[in-house]
Amino acid sequence: DAKTTQPTSMDCAEGRAANLPCNHSTISGNEYVYWYRQIHSQGPQYIIHGLKNNETNEMASLIITEDRKSSTLILPHATLRDTAVYYCIPHDSGAGSYQLTFGKGTKLSVIP
Amino acid sequence: DGGITQSPKYLFRKEGQNVTLSCEQNLNHDAMYWYRQDPGQGLRLIYYSQIVNDFQKGDIAEGYSVSREKKESFPLTVTSAQKNPTAFYLCASSTAGGTQYFGPGTRLLVL
Repeated sequence: DAKTTQPTSMDCAEGRAANLPCNHSTISGNEYVYWYRQIHSQGPQYIIHGLKNNETNEMASLIITEDRKSSTLILPHATLRDTAVYYCIPHDSGAGSYQLTFGKGTKLSVIP
Repeated sequence: DGGITQSPKYLFRKEGQNVTLSCEQNLNHDAMYWYRQDPGQGLRLIYYSQIVNDFQKGDIAEGYSVSREKKESFPLTVTSAQKNPTAFYLCASSTAGGTQYFGPGTRLLVL
């Protein structure tokens, strides 16, 4: 799986959009970009994933650059419950690699 | 209500004792996984199973054992050979090649 670079930490005001960047310049053509988050002392929660096109679901939006070397996860209206560590994970499960490689992630703090 | 359950939430192990962590899923997923997380660190894969009665070692399988007798169950045994078992253990499941969904975790502590 490709290596990733994410900011160590970010703050966001409650009610504002949180934009979390991820650099994955070595991503291969078959690797999807997955985003998970982990609230303290809980299991990781799947948020969204995409290959080339931008994606949106009830939790977030994922913007992937045209060259696929970076992406941004957008939480449109951050709440205090969104405080967590967010992980960006390039992954190609079709290649027979089953392990998700969790790096250090970005610790997002939503401020009242 | 579909999902993955892990029990117990906290588990204490005495020196030289084997302990078993439970993981059950009712999502009808073929694949199941066990990860270990140490404080401030990412997740590391211990074992995974793509189908009933079959499983493979991950990066840190030494000192652990698993079984997969039923599709919905993938218990993990932490043996006495695992010298540093204190960690947060996470179970996940997925369809073949699909998104992995995680359980709430079991925190193992050594007395």
